[in-house]
This record gives sequence, C-alpha cells and structure tokens, in this order.
Amino acid sequence: GDSVTQTEGLVTLTEGLPVMLNCTYQTIYSNPFLFWYVQHLNESPRLLLKSFTDNKRTEHQGFHATLHKSSSSFHLQKSSAQLSDSALYYCARRGSGTYQRFGTGTKLQVVP
Amino acid sequence: EAAVTQSPRNKVTVTGGNVTLSCRQTNSHNYMYWYRQDTGHGLRLIHYSYGAGNLQIGDVPDGYKATRTTQEDFFLLLELASPSQTSLYFCASSDGDWGWEQYFGPGTRLTVL
Repeated sequence: GDSVTQTEGLVTLTEGLPVMLNCTYQTIYSNPFLFWYVQHLNESPRLLLKSFTDNKRTEHQGFHATLHKSSSSFHLQKSSAQLSDSALYYCARRGSGTYQRFGTGTKLQVVP
Repeated sequence: EAAVTQSPRNKVTVTGGNVTLSCRQTNSHNYMYWYRQDTGHGLRLIHYSYGAGNLQIGDVPDGYKATRTTQEDFFLLLELASPSQTSLYFCASSDGDWGWEQYFGPGTRLTVL
C-alpha cells in the first residue's frame, strides 16, 4: 500500500520547547517522495517542505525533516516552538497514481 | 504564485439536492484535484485531472462526479447530496504530478441538511 501514518490528534506544547511531529509511511516504491503541508486556522494547506533524498535534511521556515528510508520515516522538527506555529500539519507522500496521499493530520497547539 | 479560486465559499442544500462546486486556476497548471477535509480523516482525494477532458478517480469518489472543461476549470458535482457529504472541500492544482507542490484554493464549506 501507500499509506501515511502521523502522530494522532492534538499535540500541545509550551512555547520554546522543541517540536517533533511523527510521520511514517508504507510504500511500494524505492524512491518515495515525502511532503509536509501546514494549514493555519481558516486558511488553506500550503507546502512547508519536501524531500526526495534519503538521509538528507530539508529545512524551511525554521522547520526541518529528514527522509529515512531505512525506517520509512519523515518526522517534522523544530528546535523551539512559537505561538504562531499552532496549526494543522499534514504529512503526504506520492500515491500510486499521479497524486499525493495525505495523512490524517496532526494539530499542534503552542501555549504560553 | 499560483492562484486557485473556488465558488461558492459556502453552500447549504437539502438531502437529495444538486450541487456544483467550481474551481478555477490561472497559472496554466496541468493537474487539478478535489479533496474533502474532515476531522479525523484529514484530506481525502475525491477526483483529479491532468488536463481538459481527463478525469481520474481518487480514494473517495462515491457520490461525486467531476468534469474538467478547460485547463483552468474543474467542477465537482453532487447530484443527490446526502448529509454524509457535509464537509469542507478544497480544490488544488499543480504543475506536475505527485512530485510537485500543490496549491490549494480557499475551500468551500458545504452543509447538507
């Protein structure tokens, strides 16, 4: 199959603490393409970062993720959470057709 | 930056009603997608298209039809709406297939009473 599994539900963090949102995937492809999208309240999803290369760190807007084929993972991290990071985060991967398959989303809530 | 617009932004209909959701993108993207977003299920692909006249089935197509009339316009049709189709619908476009960034429209909130 080509599923994506994310940290379920709501993650609540205190401002300044590190962020880690988990994403693992199943794939039939030897070259998985993984994405993180972010959706702030009352907005549309937008691409945060993506990776096609094994063991290479990808960074954007303070967030980073590394695709690890050995563990089928693409976890999203940030060293210090900000209030503005509160949003819904989707991990996605290439589907079996010409589309992307999204996970169920993880809601991140950062509190003072 | 890609521009994707959707109309209407909000729609209320009754069970059994007909609904058409419209999407237009103005950046000459080849691929267009229709998703529904529901808490606990995330974004689920309904239909997609890689050009005018083309239609591909997504993961949750039952109860939905779609038509791509031009490169810019992609429509989602609910011919006999049911309460289970109450959802937030997003259209998206991309310049290529699964490896390319998707640009999302603002969404249409549909309520079926």
